[in-house]
Amino acid sequence: QSALTQPASVSGSPGQSITISCTGTSSDVGIYNYVSWYQQHAGEAPKLMIYEVSNRPSGVSNRFSGSKSGNTASLTISGLQAEDEADYYCSSYTRSNTPYVFGTGTKVTVL
Amino acid sequence: QVQLQESGPGLVKPSQTLSLTCTVSGGSISTGGYYWSWIRQHPGKGLEWIGYIYYNGNTYYRNPSLESRLTISVDTSKNQFSLRLSSVTAADTAVYHCARMTTWGHWFDPWGQGTLVTVSS
Repeated sequence: QSALTQPASVSGSPGQSITISCTGTSSDVGIYNYVSWYQQHAGEAPKLMIYEVSNRPSGVSNRFSGSKSGNTASLTISGLQAEDEADYYCSSYTRSNTPYVFGTGTKVTVL
Repeated sequence: QVQLQESGPGLVKPSQTLSLTCTVSGGSISTGGYYWSWIRQHPGKGLEWIGYIYYNGNTYYRNPSLESRLTISVDTSKNQFSLRLSSVTAADTAVYHCARMTTWGHWFDPWGQGTLVTVSS
């Protein structure tokens, strides 16, 4: 099972919006609405930011939003803040041998 | 608020067995409704799902590259679950995270901070 494809890095200035893509296949992202997104600051535990494509857990800022089109899911961070600087990973349920696959990870830099 | 914390040796020799424990606080493993998972992160790389266990001991591994070497167990009396990976090689060097997943969804929340295990002689 190959990892989902994410851009290695995305950057933006404070206040701007950025979008991170997560490209899978018709065996995972394309057929299941079980895409989730995780934020990981250096040395810390990953934190759930979005589940089931576009749902935000309680306590997560509404500046974070998720969507999906075809085999590609996206995470948008609006009103970028310094605290958003972290690594972000997507994940999807998949019908392949291994039921969960993660993305390659994207480093977000706030300029 | 449920919290998870991994523990175990940080260095394992090749061909030996890697053993880690995840201690759950702020909630009971025996409550039901959750799968208790292991996920690893190779240095500088992405995440890899390893497997999970239910409080009654039912396991789900389904990772062909690990399945034959893997054992996940649970100790409800200690509110812990554990990972054992046998015959390790340098390729098993990674940060190992434990995490909780609901039985009705497919997302992981919360996660433990992770513990680095290095396989080296």
